[in-house]
Amino acid sequence: GENVEQHPSTLSVQEGDSAVIKCTYSDSASNYFPWYKQELGKRPQLIIDIRSNVGEKKDQRIAVTLNKTAKHFSLHITETQPEDSAVYFCAAAMYALNFGKGTSLLVTP
Amino acid sequence: NAGVTQTPKFRVLKTGQSMTLLCAQDMNHEYMYWYRQDPGMGLRLIHYSVGEGTTAKGEVPDGYNVSRLKKQNFLLGLESAAPSQTSVYFCASSYGQLNTEAFFGQGTRLTVV
Repeated sequence: GENVEQHPSTLSVQEGDSAVIKCTYSDSASNYFPWYKQELGKRPQLIIDIRSNVGEKKDQRIAVTLNKTAKHFSLHITETQPEDSAVYFCAAAMYALNFGKGTSLLVTP
Repeated sequence: NAGVTQTPKFRVLKTGQSMTLLCAQDMNHEYMYWYRQDPGMGLRLIHYSVGEGTTAKGEVPDGYNVSRLKKQNFLLGLESAAPSQTSVYFCASSYGQLNTEAFFGQGTRLTVV
């Protein structure tokens, strides 16, 4: 089955800095790569996604890049704010969403 | 439009007891999933369904059974609960094509003592 590795497990940045989270996947048939944000005690919610026919996608301060040849994709958050503090999960999907173990992001004022 | 609703929100079970977690969605989604979330382990797929009457095993299916008798409902059963099944359980659903957003329920916190 699909195996998704996510790094780092924790990330601390100062407000205004950029944050980058990286994921790799094992199944070359995977064609959908979403990113979810989970605040403490809440359900995961989609923040951005990318499909296999696209190399990059941007939505305001967040962007995702995909390298299908290397089987890795990354989340970039620019101009971080304290409300960006949360756990972020990447996932890869062909028949079902398989998640990485998550990155706990802390943005300090 | 309630989205994805899980019942119950909290439950404490004794070892060996059985229970069923209910997931209901009102978005006419074809795909439904059950995940468990444990500290440091992310979201692990237990079982999923790609349509009414179908189910498939995920990464950690042992000790769980599922049924999808109606399109809007996906049930997760624990026949004989074990302490290792203490976790937060999330249900999710998405449209028929896999590459679309999955919406999550609010979670069920289950403790097995």
